[in-house]
Amino acid sequence: DTEVTQTPKHLVMGMTNKKSLKCEQHMGHRAMYWYKQKAKKPPELMFVYSYEKLSINESVPSRFSPECPNSSLLNLHLHALQPEDSALYLCASSQASGLAGQGIYNEQFFGPGTRLTVL
Amino acid sequence: AQKVTQAQTEISVVEKEDVTLDCVYETRDTTYYLFWYKQPPSGELVFLIRRNSFDEQNEISGRYSWNFQKSTSSFNFTITASQVVDSAVYFCALYGSSGSARQLTFGSGTQLTVLP
Repeated sequence: DTEVTQTPKHLVMGMTNKKSLKCEQHMGHRAMYWYKQKAKKPPELMFVYSYEKLSINESVPSRFSPECPNSSLLNLHLHALQPEDSALYLCASSQASGLAGQGIYNEQFFGPGTRLTVL
Repeated sequence: AQKVTQAQTEISVVEKEDVTLDCVYETRDTTYYLFWYKQPPSGELVFLIRRNSFDEQNEISGRYSWNFQKSTSSFNFTITASQVVDSAVYFCALYGSSGSARQLTFGSGTQLTVLP
């Protein structure tokens, strides 16, 4: 199974809502990633989890809170978002290797993304 | 700081034509990795290739080929005999592995449209 699944596919939320994005993979990968992609822009790395521990946080605002409950699951908790946070949120996974097991330079498998709209 | 430039924002070709997507990068790292990813309209990025900075061998995989030239800091991607299914946004990316600059930087992408 080389699939990364993400739920929901689409999410519309108000600025006061709390919601969560979910990502799951069963490839045995121990590095997982969250990216944000605005329309017609490249993906921007947000967080990297390596062996279920947060290893990189690319200066992401605290209204985004990642969680890795086990080696197959990655969540992104959203709270008090702004309209400019509307974007496609992509999850990816890879073999963990290299410095601190981050595996960023390995082949990453991406999910289809969650398209988030903040009203 | 590192940078990836994909100067071609959009390219349109007719099916069966060959097309080359350009990628120029800047980095101070001596060890780094270059990637190409494809993003079809469905949204998920698909890994195409990874090259490390010590391996300048060109690579061919079916209709795809890559030309890595450190002398010009370029990592270009050619699709031979393009097909409609090749229509997608293609991203070139750079990962610099020095301790203080562990970043994954994507280029702005090239939208390729292959017309029937």
